[in-house]
Amino acid sequence: NAGVTQTPKFQVLKTGQSMTLQCAQDMNHEYMSWYRQDPGMGLRLIHYSVGAGITDQGEVPNGYNVSRSTTEDFPLRLLSAAPSQTSVYFCASSYGGRDHTEAFFGQGTRLTVV
Amino acid sequence: KNEVEQSPQNLTAQEGEFITINCSYSVGISALHWLQQHPGGGIVSLFMLSSGKKKHGRLIATINIQEKHSSLHITASHPRDSAVYICAVPSRERGGPFGKGTKLTVNP
Repeated sequence: NAGVTQTPKFQVLKTGQSMTLQCAQDMNHEYMSWYRQDPGMGLRLIHYSVGAGITDQGEVPNGYNVSRSTTEDFPLRLLSAAPSQTSVYFCASSYGGRDHTEAFFGQGTRLTVV
Repeated sequence: KNEVEQSPQNLTAQEGEFITINCSYSVGISALHWLQQHPGGGIVSLFMLSSGKKKHGRLIATINIQEKHSSLHITASHPRDSAVYICAVPSRERGGPFGKGTKLTVNP
């Protein structure tokens, strides 16, 4: 049982490049989400999914795409990277996404866009 | 005004001291979460609580729903407790809101 596996840990992109951050969980969780964490700010929700085939936008979705073809995987795509997307990204999962369920986080991806 | 406010922002303590981190929120909640972010960056869930008090080892979390306030206490603090502690009021559509975190440093 690996929990939430997030790759890569570090990435440097040039402006305009695209990339995919991978997230996988082996706990059969329905709810998966992506956050970004910036200095001086709390975690902010980018996109979330309540199950395979269902995704929705969070607080800061612009510039990012997601898909959920399986329960296990929830990749985050940056279509055309911009310096404003320099941040630390976290994937998380929980059972049902309800208030009383524990969230499990990946180890984070530190992304720098130059 | 932020929906979730934590205090203090930074806290330095000597090993063995009793630590208190505070969280005030302005949104309606059914549960509040405390998270710990390690120096290496990983985040783990410490507590979920909707009333009263919970205890896990040296960590104690309390919540007062009427006053919209929660506290995280660490008894007999240790350098390995050094981390950022984050208070969150989770919702499906927003993920949070999350507090900005309290950076705790415990010196030996």
